[in-house]
Amino acid sequence: GQNIDQPTEMTATEGAIVQINCTYQTSGFNGLFWYQQHAGEAPTFLSYNVLDGLEEKGRFSSFLSRSKGYSYLLLKELQMKDSASYLCAAYNDYKLSFGAGTTVTVRA
Amino acid sequence: GAVVSQHPSWVICKSGTSVKIECRSLDFQATTMFWYRQFPKQSLMLMATSNEGSKATYEQGVEKDKFLINHASLTLSTLTVTSAHPEDSSFYICSAKSRVLNTGELFFGEGSRLTVL
Repeated sequence: GQNIDQPTEMTATEGAIVQINCTYQTSGFNGLFWYQQHAGEAPTFLSYNVLDGLEEKGRFSSFLSRSKGYSYLLLKELQMKDSASYLCAAYNDYKLSFGAGTTVTVRA
Repeated sequence: GAVVSQHPSWVICKSGTSVKIECRSLDFQATTMFWYRQFPKQSLMLMATSNEGSKATYEQGVEKDKFLINHASLTLSTLTVTSAHPEDSSFYICSAKSRVLNTGELFFGEGSRLTVL
């Protein structure tokens, strides 16, 4: 089975940095995805980690430690448009299992 | 590239009727399509996995006779909610896995919001 945990909510100010942690326990782990979802919309792809380490993509970075079953998504230079839900998803074999999502609210 | 189109975006129906939602991969062939359901402020829950030309695999607790899935081609999968009831009101999202790309990334449709009166 899959067990994916991430915080429910986080709040930060514009220009700040936010780190969203995700722990997972899955069978047959193949990789870890992060998606962004604005209210009422479908998720959009942010990052995919297969190997341990940090992947940087502009203002967003994602880290994975397979031995610890741990990942984080780092959002830098926060903008108001970054207010959304961030979903951690573990990929095993043929399907993606999602965490409950972390709602990030960016305040001016 | 890798666009998935879902139709309709919004649908309102009466209790007891059936509703069909289409999911199309527009510029790639999808070996596998997934159907998710998302209730307000909850995460996406996988309902079923469909492979082209074969029967869908349903997750535990999902009624296969109520949620009919057809994956007739490499670019089209349909989900039919039969005899819909108010508790079936939800956001249904499809996603597709590319036949060519082997990264495991899923490409999502825009979602279909179903309201059953």
